[in-house]
Amino acid sequence: GAVVSQHPSWVICKSGTSVKIECRSLDFQATTMFWYRQFPKQSLMLMATSNEGSKATYEQGVEKDKFLINHASLTLSTLTVTSAHPEDSSFYICSARPGLAGRRNTADTQYFGPGTRLTVL
Amino acid sequence: QKEVEQNSGPLSVPEGAIASLNCTYSDRGSQSFFWYRQYSGKSPELIMFIYSNGDKEDGRFTAQLNKASQYVSLLIRDSQPSDSATYLCAVKRAGTGNTPLVFGKGTRLSVIA
Repeated sequence: GAVVSQHPSWVICKSGTSVKIECRSLDFQATTMFWYRQFPKQSLMLMATSNEGSKATYEQGVEKDKFLINHASLTLSTLTVTSAHPEDSSFYICSARPGLAGRRNTADTQYFGPGTRLTVL
Repeated sequence: QKEVEQNSGPLSVPEGAIASLNCTYSDRGSQSFFWYRQYSGKSPELIMFIYSNGDKEDGRFTAQLNKASQYVSLLIRDSQPSDSATYLCAVKRAGTGNTPLVFGKGTRLSVIA
């Protein structure tokens, strides 16, 4: 159980285009999803926290107009990189939290998707 | 002081040995503790979580938690070359609602055949 998928797994695009990445929790409902990015040989960097039905909370330094996050349902969150540039090339990873009432530690757990590798030419 | 600290490594152990990975955290009220494994080029995968003082075993992995000393460790018995990866420690702070786990920067483990 606790499977998270991402689509696409990789994408190559031209500078200036927009790219949408989908994150789905396949066998549980995710009250909260998180978006990270990771540059080669570097640590995970949290970009934003997304709660179903409400606006995402962005980390300091992350442009909300450039990285649009939508969490329309309990199983789907999307990240759109608008007007992508080569410096946006990175590994984008989503993470979902079940948030099951009464099961504290399972509720706290974050399950990661397989990631999306974005290359902007 | 960083919230979650790990030695970046690399930690090199011979095949078959016990690998010991350590993590300290600064918030005494932290309530849940997690270990993730991340292979190069892949996303993190959950190994196990622990929330009570003491040991928790799952196969070749044992997590140890000492809240008084604010550290959590992961032991890997009978280490295999396939265990070579970066191990991330993560902590859920108390009273923080639905905020994300706080991750350490990870310890790179290399198991030598």
